[in-house]
Amino acid sequence: KAGVTQTPRYLIKTRGQQVTLSCSPISGHRSVSWYQQTPGQGLQFLFEYFSETQRNKGNFPGRFSGRQFSNSRSEMNVSTLELGDSALYLCASSPGQGTYNEQFFGPGTRLTVL
Amino acid sequence: AQRVTQPEKLLSVFKGAPVELKCNYSYSGSPELFWYVQYSRQRLQLLLRHISRESIKGFTADLNKGETSFHLKKPFAQEEDSAMYYCALNTGRRALTFGSGTRLQVQP
Repeated sequence: KAGVTQTPRYLIKTRGQQVTLSCSPISGHRSVSWYQQTPGQGLQFLFEYFSETQRNKGNFPGRFSGRQFSNSRSEMNVSTLELGDSALYLCASSPGQGTYNEQFFGPGTRLTVL
Repeated sequence: AQRVTQPEKLLSVFKGAPVELKCNYSYSGSPELFWYVQYSRQRLQLLLRHISRESIKGFTADLNKGETSFHLKKPFAQEEDSAMYYCALNTGRRALTFGSGTRLQVQP
């Protein structure tokens, strides 16, 4: 099976703009989780989608949002970008059944905000 | 509040030496703990999960609820073990709380 794919891999934006990142999970996986990775804060959970519904949300401002489509592909959106949003954004997919799930990570999207 | 602590940013050992990467957690519920690893230029991937009690690539980790620890151990380090290691706590279905990570350097 193909792994988790994320597009684009690199992105440069300026403050105030908005950005949309895309994640395609492993075929058959219904859950997609998003994480932000920065040198200062490390890996932090953003949110998780399962069957097109947000099931879990981390402690991030409302500027961070996401959605999931019927084919399980997910997008996350960040509006009104700030310099501190510069980070590697990782998505992870899992089958989504039950409470114990191994998550498979994508390569990430590197976002730079100037 | 849930928290995962990895006290060492860098652990440097010689090939053949024992390795112990420390992880402590804080969680009010029943913990589900994992070790993830990221080799150079590769994706983050699962190494171990506590419920399976397995040994992967010679690594083992035992959950100690009394000490709230989940240390990762290997008796004899290999150069190919050099990587970034993250301890993670499942805090709600598919929401992982990660530690800050420990970089393991195995010198020849």
